[in-house]
Amino acid sequence: AQSVAQPEDQVNVAEGNPLTVKCTYSVSGNPYLFWYVQYPNRGLQFLLKYITGDNLVKGSYGFEAEFNKSQTSFHLKKPSALVSDSALYFCAVRDKNSGNTPLVFGKGTRLSVIA
Amino acid sequence: EPEVTQTPSHQVTQMGQEVILRCVPISNHLYFYWYRQILGQKVEFLVSFYNNEISEKSEIFDDQFSVERPDGSNFTLKIRSTKLEDSAMYFCASSEYSSEQFFGPGTRLTVL
Repeated sequence: AQSVAQPEDQVNVAEGNPLTVKCTYSVSGNPYLFWYVQYPNRGLQFLLKYITGDNLVKGSYGFEAEFNKSQTSFHLKKPSALVSDSALYFCAVRDKNSGNTPLVFGKGTRLSVIA
Repeated sequence: EPEVTQTPSHQVTQMGQEVILRCVPISNHLYFYWYRQILGQKVEFLVSFYNNEISEKSEIFDDQFSVERPDGSNFTLKIRSTKLEDSAMYFCASSEYSSEQFFGPGTRLTVL
């Protein structure tokens, strides 16, 4: 069975500082990894994905994530945080790159960027 | 930019009543999904739908739930007899074959 762990419920960072939101996963086959962001009263917005290739994946709004197979991690990063980045971030995984395979989500990490 | 839309944004119903949640997926997408998020908890998969039939479903998706694509654009989730524990945010999503899933804004279902 697939699973995702987001060990931090809350991450606080000062505006302008780098941010990291952690994610580790467990799958039986190859992992296909995703990050989504949820703003208040909004749906989930896709940020980035890792399917294959370069371990450093760049996504929307200046976010990037690093796939580390040996540590089974896919941490989300941004070099300089903005107050507008404050939101709920979800890591998700599936074990097949096929359309009908559902995503398994972590419980989410609330990011708070303080001015 | 194309997006997934959902109606209504908020639905309040009495326990035991039937509800239908509606979604319009992105037009050229082939796969459709329903997920739910109980307040404060993680997003959970309910069902995926492709080629007019269910592809996969979770243990949450019991006989009280059904999905339908009644025409070329809408995708619906029906709960036949709602329970208090069905109160949640329900998200519809769609995708092309193996790409990321795009989510709608959700319908908040409140069962009284």
